[in-house]
Amino acid sequence: AQSVTQPDIHITVSEGASLELRCNYSYGATPYLFWYVQSPGQGLQLLLKYFSGDTLVQGIKGFEAEFKRSQSSFNLRKPSVHWSDAAEYFCAVGAREYGNKLVFGAGTILRVKS
Amino acid sequence: DTEVTQTPKHLVMGMTNKKSLKCEQHMGHRAMYWYKQKAKKPPELMFVYSYEKLSINESVPSRFSPECPNSSLLNLHLHALQPEDSALYLCASSQGQVMNTEAFFGQGTRLTVV
Repeated sequence: AQSVTQPDIHITVSEGASLELRCNYSYGATPYLFWYVQSPGQGLQLLLKYFSGDTLVQGIKGFEAEFKRSQSSFNLRKPSVHWSDAAEYFCAVGAREYGNKLVFGAGTILRVKS
Repeated sequence: DTEVTQTPKHLVMGMTNKKSLKCEQHMGHRAMYWYKQKAKKPPELMFVYSYEKLSINESVPSRFSPECPNSSLLNLHLHALQPEDSALYLCASSQGQVMNTEAFFGQGTRLTVV
């Protein structure tokens, strides 16, 4: 069955340090890939998306992600984390086999220490 | 306007009550969604409306009844809920199929069933 895996439930980084959040998916073809961020008690905001083309995509708030077909991964990165980045991050996958819906990973909670 | 507006933000209801959650968007999106999110879990799809018609029902209990009165509005009618239905209910909309377009999420309604 298709799945989205975020192996890290929690990650803590120091303010100013770099960040990488991992996402792996299980799917045969190239899916549509998304990263969303959610602050506590809030809705989800799209950070970036990959459909095709350049495998390194830039998003809002200084985030970027790289699609690696060989590793079935779509990891999210940021070179320098700010305290306001503390939130929960969800990787999501859309594919024709899923129908008109996204499949979300379990999420990674990011804590930023000063 | 890229907002999806949900009302109310918070709702406490008894197990015998009837209440409704409302969602509104003015982006001209033709697909609208209801998601349920339990604490520390990813959003789970409940319903999808496409061109004001219900296209996906993820086997949701009948105590949840969706309604799409027009292309801008989406309601979720609640009746005889159980305490385990307490969750954050998120509405989203997208221009096309969410698998290959951006989904915009509302801030959610925090529902507590007592």
